[in-house]
Amino acid sequence: DQQVKQNSPSLSVQEGRISILNCDYTNSMFDYFLWYKKYPAEGPTFLISISSIKDKNEDGRFTVFLNKSAKHLSLHIVPSQPGDSAVYFCAATPRRTSGGSNYKLTFGKGTLLTVNP
Amino acid sequence: DGGITQSPKYLFRKEGQNVTLSCEQNLNHDAMYWYRQDPGQGLRLIYYSQIVNDFQKGDIAEGYSVSREKKESFPLTVTSAQKNPTAFYLCASSIWFRGQGETGELFFGEGSRLTVL
Repeated sequence: DQQVKQNSPSLSVQEGRISILNCDYTNSMFDYFLWYKKYPAEGPTFLISISSIKDKNEDGRFTVFLNKSAKHLSLHIVPSQPGDSAVYFCAATPRRTSGGSNYKLTFGKGTLLTVNP
Repeated sequence: DGGITQSPKYLFRKEGQNVTLSCEQNLNHDAMYWYRQDPGQGLRLIYYSQIVNDFQKGDIAEGYSVSREKKESFPLTVTSAQKNPTAFYLCASSIWFRGQGETGELFFGEGSRLTVL
């Protein structure tokens, strides 16, 4: 049973345009969400996170939106750059309900973003 | 520089052999994790450890074993009982959550690619 779903395996956008990566979750205990970026043969690097008490978090070109009622979050990248081309993983954890003592994350399968010059 | 070091980066193993992947961190993190990545599967949790001398099974622990004798080290042994061991293995670490303000991120190593011949 996949608790975190990224239904688009790949996404291609033009440089300078907006990239929107989507993520759905099924576990209502999840209350903290993260996005990671991964280049081939490297470990993932943290991008941005959002707590369930918020519906939006922004960091430079990256914005994450959370719709708790729909159990849906999205990552917006504006403007997209060729260096953004990577696999993006959505992850979730029941941080507060688990006592918050660790970050046992459940990951989606990832979306490969390609930004064309 | 602080970080997570995984070794070896590439490893080949014959069927029936056990292999151990090394993971060392100098970030002073309490929690450490092992994930496995397969094409189209995202990251799946094998084992995690919140403190020294304690560890918990993740979602796909069968055929693997770990130890946590030191805070800095969390080696993973892939045993001959693991049916499909060829994969990209990622080690990660995180702080012990103390309250609001932490981003909740895991810090990942560069990964180890294991191929069974």
